[in-house]
Amino acid sequence: DVKVTQSSRYLVKRTGEKVFLECVQDMDHENMFWYRQDPGLGLRLIYFSYDVKMKEKGDIPEGYSVSREKKERFSLILESASTNQTSMYLCASRGGPVRGGDLGEPQHFGDGTRLSIL
Amino acid sequence: RKEVEQDPGPFNVPEGATVAFNCTYSNSASQSFFWYRQDCRKEPKLLMSVYSSGNEDGRFTAQLNRASQYISLLIRDSKLSDSATYLCVVRWGSARQLTFGSGTQLTVLP
Repeated sequence: DVKVTQSSRYLVKRTGEKVFLECVQDMDHENMFWYRQDPGLGLRLIYFSYDVKMKEKGDIPEGYSVSREKKERFSLILESASTNQTSMYLCASRGGPVRGGDLGEPQHFGDGTRLSIL
Repeated sequence: RKEVEQDPGPFNVPEGATVAFNCTYSNSASQSFFWYRQDCRKEPKLLMSVYSSGNEDGRFTAQLNRASQYISLLIRDSKLSDSATYLCVVRWGSARQLTFGSGTQLTVLP
């Protein structure tokens, strides 16, 4: 079974702090993803990475950055936390590379980090 | 227009009922399709992949209609434990990322 581990289930930080969310997967997956999930808005992709040191912006990258120094670890960084970044953050990983026409592998999620910015 | 659209519900059905969810997607180049299930305050988990010919897994049946660009999920003989939010998920073209619908909430009542 794929195991995706997020460093914290609950986190409380203050406005302006630099916040690090860590995610580790144990399946040697190329692709890793960070989402946030808010009521009524569903899952929104922040950033993803398809290889070490490679990253691509998702739908809502503003206010966030990421780091992928090792294949198994993908970090999400809130450079200067703001109250509108209070949310549930979900990390996911997926095998690849994906080839056109195939079924494609599903994504596996971590337990999530519920982050509150005060 | 959202790329993946689902009826948000909520669907409230009695135990034993059959319930169906539909999902439409906007990109005709979509290649892979999935249904995920998400319990309250938990992470999404894969329920089943959706194959072009349709597929069944126990009480769950998934169908894909490429011409009309929709996916369906049928749940037969609903159990209380089926209560969750069901997410329709699509991957298009050579994209590495998946696109998620906002989910359909199901409550199965005793």
